[in-house]
Amino acid sequence: SQQGEEDPQALSIQEGENATMNCSYKTSINNLQWYRQNSGRGLVHLILIRSNEREKHSGRLRVTLDTSKKSSSLLITASRAADTASYFCATYAGGTSYGKLTFGQGTILTVHP
Amino acid sequence: KAGVTQTPRYLIKTRGQQVTLSCSPISGHRSVSWYQQTPGQGLQFLFEYFSETQRNKGNFPGRFSGRQFSNSRSEMNVSTLELGDSALYLCASSLGPIRSYNEQFFGPGTRLTVL
Repeated sequence: SQQGEEDPQALSIQEGENATMNCSYKTSINNLQWYRQNSGRGLVHLILIRSNEREKHSGRLRVTLDTSKKSSSLLITASRAADTASYFCATYAGGTSYGKLTFGQGTILTVHP
Repeated sequence: KAGVTQTPRYLIKTRGQQVTLSCSPISGHRSVSWYQQTPGQGLQFLFEYFSETQRNKGNFPGRFSGRQFSNSRSEMNVSTLELGDSALYLCASSLGPIRSYNEQFFGPGTRLTVL
C-alpha cells in the first residue's frame, strides 16, 4: 500500500513557470524525501526534510512539510525542459528501528520549451 | 566515484524459472536497499541490507530473497517466477542505514520481463 499520495498525477507547464507538487501521507514520519525519475530509469535524490523541519531549499527546489496536516509540497521555480520527469515523495517511518521508505505514486511533470 | 551499478540491465525469463540480480554499491557505502517498480503498484520496498544482515523486508512472498556480501555488494533472487514479477528492480546504496537520514543513491535498474 502507498503511504504517500501525490497530487496532481500529471502537470504540464511552460518553461519558466513554477511547478508545485503535493504529497500527503497517513502515519507519523521520521523524514520525507523527494526523488526524480527520468523515463523509467533510476531515481535521483532531490531533498530530505526531517519531521522537525518546516522548510528546506536546494537550488531551485523548495520543500515544505506540515506534520499536522501530514502533507508536503515540492516547488520547482523557473522550470526548464530538463525538469521533465516523474517526481516521487517517499516517507520514512522507522524511528530508531530499521524501517523502510514508502513511495507515493508520483507526479508526471512535463515542461514545454 | 562510480555510481551504483546493476547487472544485468535487461532480463527475459519464463514462468517458473528463477533469477538473480546483482547490485554493486558506491564504494564505501554499507547499506543496500532493493525496490520493485511496476505501473500498477508503483515503487515498493523489498528489503534493506546493512553490514551483511537483512534489516527489514517489505510485504513480498518468500520467493523474493537477497543477501549482502562482505564487500557490500548485494544480490536478490526471485524463485518460481510469475508473470506479475515483471518489473523494474531498483537497487539503492547509502553510507549507512535509511534510518540515519542517509541519502540513497539509486542504480539504473534491471528490467525483468517474465513470459
